[in-house]
Amino acid sequence: DAGVIQSPRHEVTEMGQEVTLRCKPISGHDYLFWYRQTMMRGLELLIYFNNNVPIDDSGMPEDRFSAKMPNASFSTLKIQPSEPRDSAVYFCASSLVAGGYGELFFGEGSRLTVL
Amino acid sequence: SQQGEEDPQALSIQEGENATMNCSYKTSINNLQWYRQNSGRGLVHLILIRSNEREKHSGRLRVTLDTSKKSSSLLITASRAADTASYFCATGENTGTASKLTFGTGTRLQVTL
Repeated sequence: DAGVIQSPRHEVTEMGQEVTLRCKPISGHDYLFWYRQTMMRGLELLIYFNNNVPIDDSGMPEDRFSAKMPNASFSTLKIQPSEPRDSAVYFCASSLVAGGYGELFFGEGSRLTVL
Repeated sequence: SQQGEEDPQALSIQEGENATMNCSYKTSINNLQWYRQNSGRGLVHLILIRSNEREKHSGRLRVTLDTSKKSSSLLITASRAADTASYFCATGENTGTASKLTFGTGTRLQVTL
């Protein structure tokens, strides 16, 4: 299996632009998670899906952030408009079981820089 | 918010020595997991210990869990340069209808030759 695939690996954009991050989970995994990693705040859970349905989006920082999972093999995290404080590494992870019960498989991350 | 606090924040040892990292958490958990992150890469799962377990081994890794003290430790024996990475504890917990894995602050381990 190819593992969790994220794109792009690096994104540099200007403030105010729309950013879309993409994720392909491991086939057969029913759970998909979006995390954000910064030096100041560490790893934060933004949102997670079960069977393509958002279960908990309490970690999404504000309305500028949105996430979708149109099918079992694809998810997007969108930031519109982007701001410099959104600069971070965004990780997608997938799992066979709910996040509190088993192992998560992480992608390599998307490093976002907003100028 | 972060559940786990790790200690030390950074650790530097020589190859062949043992490395011990500690994790403290605040709420009741289903399990506690440890992950490794190499620089610029994603996190990789190392080991999971359930709340009713006290100790678990996997190769050169030994994890202990003390639920009464809400703490865990990760021991890496006979360290190698390739063990250089950041190590994170993560607690599996239920919050209402959600089930989450919450990560700690991490320990940066440097293993020198």
